[in-house]
Amino acid sequence: NAGVMQNPRHLVRRRGQEARLRCSPMKGHSHVYWYRQLPEEGLKFMVYLQKENIIDESGMPKERFSAEFPKEGPSILRIQQVVRGDSAAYFCASSPQGRGPSYNSPLHFGNGTRLTVT
Amino acid sequence: AQTVTQSQPEMSVQEAETVTLSCTYDTSENNYYLFWYKQPPSRQMILVIRQEAYKQQNATENRFSVNFQKAAKSFSLKISDSQLGDTAMYFCVVTNTNAGKSTFGDGTTLTVKP
Repeated sequence: NAGVMQNPRHLVRRRGQEARLRCSPMKGHSHVYWYRQLPEEGLKFMVYLQKENIIDESGMPKERFSAEFPKEGPSILRIQQVVRGDSAAYFCASSPQGRGPSYNSPLHFGNGTRLTVT
Repeated sequence: AQTVTQSQPEMSVQEAETVTLSCTYDTSENNYYLFWYKQPPSRQMILVIRQEAYKQQNATENRFSVNFQKAAKSFSLKISDSQLGDTAMYFCVVTNTNAGKSTFGDGTTLTVKP
């Protein structure tokens, strides 16, 4: 009964390179959420996706950031031309098919990807 | 828009004692859910306790309980008989049932001292 799987666990990129973060939701979950955590801060919502659809991307920067959740395969958070300010932990969470997080189906988090931009 | 405020960046407690972490929030929704998550040094996000906003009864989960005051928009977490393994960062979370989006507070770092 695998939980939410994120990879890589750590990612180092030089300024200007691209970062690709992967998230496989729990089995049976078709809702995926991406959050960013800066040091000593809480998680900030970035984007909410269902299979092949972006539902809410209000927390995602307009430039350089994109997310997808294809019919097959993991959800991908892509950051182009990374800058030092992108250094953070990026968490993915999922909730079951048919609805968002609820009392009986709270968010299930992966262990995060720590991105370091040098 | 939702906001969540945790006014205590850091707290400490002696092992076996009781500690309360405060949380206030603001939301325009009538129906929502509240959660406390803990994040130990391993960085994993672990659900501690949950509460439905329309339920008056305070949730309890073993040594963890909440004091939910809906009118005051307050949702504090009480940890009884604190254990060393409770050392972690604790986040108060409000989830909008319509949008499915969760808003996190900035966290309280709790240290349990032996």
